[in-house]
Amino acid sequence: DQQVKQNSPSLSVQEGRISILNCDYTNSMFDYFLWYKKYPAEGPTFLISISSIKDKNEDGRFTVFLNKSAKHLSLHIVPSQPGDSAVYFCAASVGGGADGLTFGKGTHLIIQP
Amino acid sequence: GAGVSQSPRYKVAKRGQDVALRCDPISGHVSLFWYQQALGQGPEFLTYFQNEAQLDKSGLPSDRFFAERPEGSVSTLKIQRTQQEDSAVYLCASSLLPPGTGAEKLFFGSGTQLSVL
Repeated sequence: DQQVKQNSPSLSVQEGRISILNCDYTNSMFDYFLWYKKYPAEGPTFLISISSIKDKNEDGRFTVFLNKSAKHLSLHIVPSQPGDSAVYFCAASVGGGADGLTFGKGTHLIIQP
Repeated sequence: GAGVSQSPRYKVAKRGQDVALRCDPISGHVSLFWYQQALGQGPEFLTYFQNEAQLDKSGLPSDRFFAERPEGSVSTLKIQRTQQEDSAVYLCASSLLPPGTGAEKLFFGSGTQLSVL
């Protein structure tokens, strides 16, 4: 049973536009959420995170929004750049990740020139 | 190097063979995690070390999987009598502080791609 769901396996966005990646979760105990970016043949790299006490966190072109009542979070990238083409994983943890992170299956973002 | 290093990068094993996968975490990092990533899936938690202590091995799929970190730095994931379903990318990750301290940013290695024939 998938506790973290990324329902879009892929997303194509034009360069310069906004990319919105979505993630849903089922475990109400999750209190920390992260987004990781992964290029082929490399390990995931940390992008941005948000605690459950917040509903928004921004870092440069990247913003993560958390809607606890809907158990939904999203990653906004604006403006999208060619180097943003990668697989993006949503991850969640309980109590700071002592049991490890629970990852979604990922969304492959393709930025079209 | 400054990052998490894993070796070998690729490993091909015959069914029934034992394999050992190595992880060199970032120097000084207390926490070390192993994850398994099957094709088309996200990484799945296997086990967690805090220094040399294995605090959680609930994700290990069977008793054929064994992990150790005897001196609190380098870790080895061993898989005995490999099966085809063990084919996956095995990712190692480390972080400076234990979980729950706000240091949940894991630094991942590039992984070992294991193919069992």
